[in-house]
Amino acid sequence: EDQVTQSPEALRLQEGESSSLNCSYTVSGLRGLFWYRQDPGKGPEFLFTLYSAGEEKEKERLKATLTKKESFLHITAPKPEDSATYLCAFRSGGFKTIFGAGTRLFVKA
Amino acid sequence: SAVISQKPSRDICQRGTSLTIQCQVDSQVTMMFWYRQQPGQSLTLIATANQGSEATYESGFVIDKFPISRPNLTFSTLTVSNMSPEDSSIYLCSGGDFENIQYFGAGTRLSVL
Repeated sequence: EDQVTQSPEALRLQEGESSSLNCSYTVSGLRGLFWYRQDPGKGPEFLFTLYSAGEEKEKERLKATLTKKESFLHITAPKPEDSATYLCAFRSGGFKTIFGAGTRLFVKA
Repeated sequence: SAVISQKPSRDICQRGTSLTIQCQVDSQVTMMFWYRQQPGQSLTLIATANQGSEATYESGFVIDKFPISRPNLTFSTLTVSNMSPEDSSIYLCSGGDFENIQYFGAGTRLSVL
């Protein structure tokens, strides 16, 4: 059965304290690993797509990486405005996307 | 990218009634999806809205309870029928491009009394 697991469930950081979020997956045929950001009261906002092991993508303080079994979202020197829930998702077959439970990130000034 | 407009943004409904949620995309998308999200939890796919044909429902969701229409490439509706308090949730619409990058509306927060 296709599954995606995110850890930790919640992460509290001081401003400037770098860290990583983990997304591990079990899927029969990966056709895209996605990272989204969701702010309270809003829908998820697309951040990155990764397709193959070894691929990396960056956007401002965020960098996403992919291996054969997991993906990491690295946050470098976070700011309070980075506080949000970060969702990992994957597409296996067809157009269905499976979302993880998310990591709630809190960055304190 | 695509901009998704969803309405209503919130509603409070009585048990046994129905609510129709509308989703408008500002550009043509390949796919449209409907999700349910309990507060603090992740997204659960209800169905894929297919243009001009019946939606494709996920396990645990049925057409009689969640009828969906998609008359054209940029518009879809989800109806939550014969509501009970267990239907209280956030309902999200998304549009997906050919890479299945999804763009989401702000959601409809539904409370059933």
